[in-house]
Amino acid sequence: NAGVTQTPKFRVLKTGQSMTLLCAQDMNHEYMYWYRQDPGMGLRLIHYSVGEGTTAKGEVPDGYNVSRLKKQNFLLGLESAAPSQTSVYFCASSSAPGRGTDTQYFGPGTRLTVL
Amino acid sequence: KNQVEQSPQSLIILEGKNCTLQCNYTVSPFSNLRWYKQDTGRGPVSLTIMTFSENTKSNGRYTATLDADTKQSSLHITASQLSDSASYICVVSGSWGKLQFGAGTQVVVTP
Repeated sequence: NAGVTQTPKFRVLKTGQSMTLLCAQDMNHEYMYWYRQDPGMGLRLIHYSVGEGTTAKGEVPDGYNVSRLKKQNFLLGLESAAPSQTSVYFCASSSAPGRGTDTQYFGPGTRLTVL
Repeated sequence: KNQVEQSPQSLIILEGKNCTLQCNYTVSPFSNLRWYKQDTGRGPVSLTIMTFSENTKSNGRYTATLDADTKQSSLHITASQLSDSASYICVVSGSWGKLQFGAGTQVVVTP
């Protein structure tokens, strides 16, 4: 049981390049999330999914797209990377929204630098 | 303005000593409050979750308290160990489960 995995772990892009971050979970969770973490700030929600085939915008969705073609995978795409997207990206999954005692399980993160 | 404020921003503590981290929030309506531990280079890991009716919750040497009336929470670390060096993040869940994250308190435990 690997939990939540993310690939790649590190990436350097030039402005304007595109890339896709992959998140996979083996806990059969319905809900999946993409966050970004910047110094001195709390994690901010980019996009999320409440089930296979669904996606929704979070707090900071501009410049990103997502897809959830399979229940276990959640992809985050950057079509034209900008230096402002330099950040650490975390994927998370949960069995239900954050009500009650539901827990979000986080992946190890992807450190992205855009030059 | 962030609806979840944590203090201090960072602290250094000697191994074996206790420390307390603070979290103030303005999120409303309130569903639950969580504390996460994030080791350097890793994703956050849940320590405790408290709902509106709970005042305290422990997980080993970690004890979280919640005062929903004053919208304050604290995380107390007892007999700190080197492995406690990490960032501790307060997360408040509001309506429909939307999470608001604090910026975290960086704790460094020195020998």
